[in-house]
Amino acid sequence: GEDVEQSLFLSVREGDSSVINCTYTDSSSTYLYWYKQEPGAGLQLLTYIFSNMDMKQDQRLTVLLNKKDKHLSLRIADTQTGDSAIYFCAESIRVNTGFQKLVFGTGTRLLVSP
Amino acid sequence: DAGVIQSPRHEVTEMGQEVTLRCKPISGHDYLFWYRQTMMRGLELLIYFNNNVPIDDSGMPEDRFSAKMPNASFSTLKIQPSEPRDSAVYFCASSLGTYTEAFFGQGTRLTVV
Repeated sequence: GEDVEQSLFLSVREGDSSVINCTYTDSSSTYLYWYKQEPGAGLQLLTYIFSNMDMKQDQRLTVLLNKKDKHLSLRIADTQTGDSAIYFCAESIRVNTGFQKLVFGTGTRLLVSP
Repeated sequence: DAGVIQSPRHEVTEMGQEVTLRCKPISGHDYLFWYRQTMMRGLELLIYFNNNVPIDDSGMPEDRFSAKMPNASFSTLKIQPSEPRDSAVYFCASSLGTYTEAFFGQGTRLTVV
């Protein structure tokens, strides 16, 4: 299957940490990604993690990968109002032609209140 | 580079009309993707191209949908005839490879009345 699942909504206060969770289905996914979509805009790559890694840190962002449970999370430290957006988890899966394609989750809408 | 450019940004059309969405990928990118985003179904991959050749069109919902890439700098997504359920935001994206970052355009918001 190609389902990538996320919770739909998360609300936090400014300065708190946010944790967005994702479960994916393809155990052979080589890369897993987090994209951010601001209102009226397309998606922008935030960060990614290679499947042989457990964790990746990039400034305020921490990505954790549990391959056994096919679980990916994105932690945003010191969340700011500017972080309010929709966050998409995505996995790369192999198609029959030998190419890879990105399958996106449903997106989690993060709302940061002052 | 100006990024992935889509046109128009907004399109309102009547049911039954033909709609053509346009995309200019980033120069040098070998892959081009068309996605559709709706509240109900999220972000769906419709079709993607590698070096102008369609690789996987299994996400194209019906024969009313067609996509072409006549050259490396231009692609179209056509819906004929359009229906109200086609109303969505359609995104085009391009990348250097399937493992590399996909750059998205700003999308075309299509409303079919």
